[in-house]
Amino acid sequence: DIQLTQSPSTLSASVGDRVTITCRASQSVSNWLAWYQKKPGKAPKLLIYQASTLQSGVPSRFSGSGSATEFSLTISSLQPDDFATYYCQHYKNYPRTFGQGTKVEIK
Amino acid sequence: EVQLLESGGGLVQPGGSLRLSCAASGFIFGSYAMTWVRQAPGKGLEWVSSVSASGTERNYAASVKGRFTISRDNSEKTVYLQMNSLRAEDTAVYYCAKDGKSDIWGQGTLVTVSS
Repeated sequence: DIQLTQSPSTLSASVGDRVTITCRASQSVSNWLAWYQKKPGKAPKLLIYQASTLQSGVPSRFSGSGSATEFSLTISSLQPDDFATYYCQHYKNYPRTFGQGTKVEIK
Repeated sequence: EVQLLESGGGLVQPGGSLRLSCAASGFIFGSYAMTWVRQAPGKGLEWVSSVSASGTERNYAASVKGRFTISRDNSEKTVYLQMNSLRAEDTAVYYCAKDGKSDIWGQGTLVTVSS
């Protein structure tokens, strides 16, 4: 099974900050990686798919990069609505796995 | 409107069974594999199971294999998760979603396993 490890687990930042979350896979997933935003009581929201493609309707301050085993999600200028938990997930094969999550908190 | 609507959650005793349903609308349901994802209280997202568009291929997380069964009815545009031999650690909000790049999610249904 492919394991995904996110870092950091928690990130404290201020509005306007540039933040980067990384996701490392235990073996290559090519570019079959997605990023989701999760808020309490809400369903996950797809932000990025195929490692770097921005989902329709998602603000352009979100971007994804990487391939094979190293990936990152960057928020170029953190907005109040962005405080949430972020997850990476691969969809190269089964079992699909998620990273453990990165909570972005207000500094 | 593109929508997934889960139902069937509730309180069940350990060892009991529950069947979740997820009704789709607004997209060509029969063209997409579907998946169930759960989130236990205070924990992260966990992939549970997926079923192919035709329903012939099914995959399960090790934590539920042998206890849960995923199925679908394309004529009813519904995907199901039959959960047997439930354990306290199955307590979670269960979401259905399109498989792969999951751009459509349901609102979630809470399953509580407790005596």
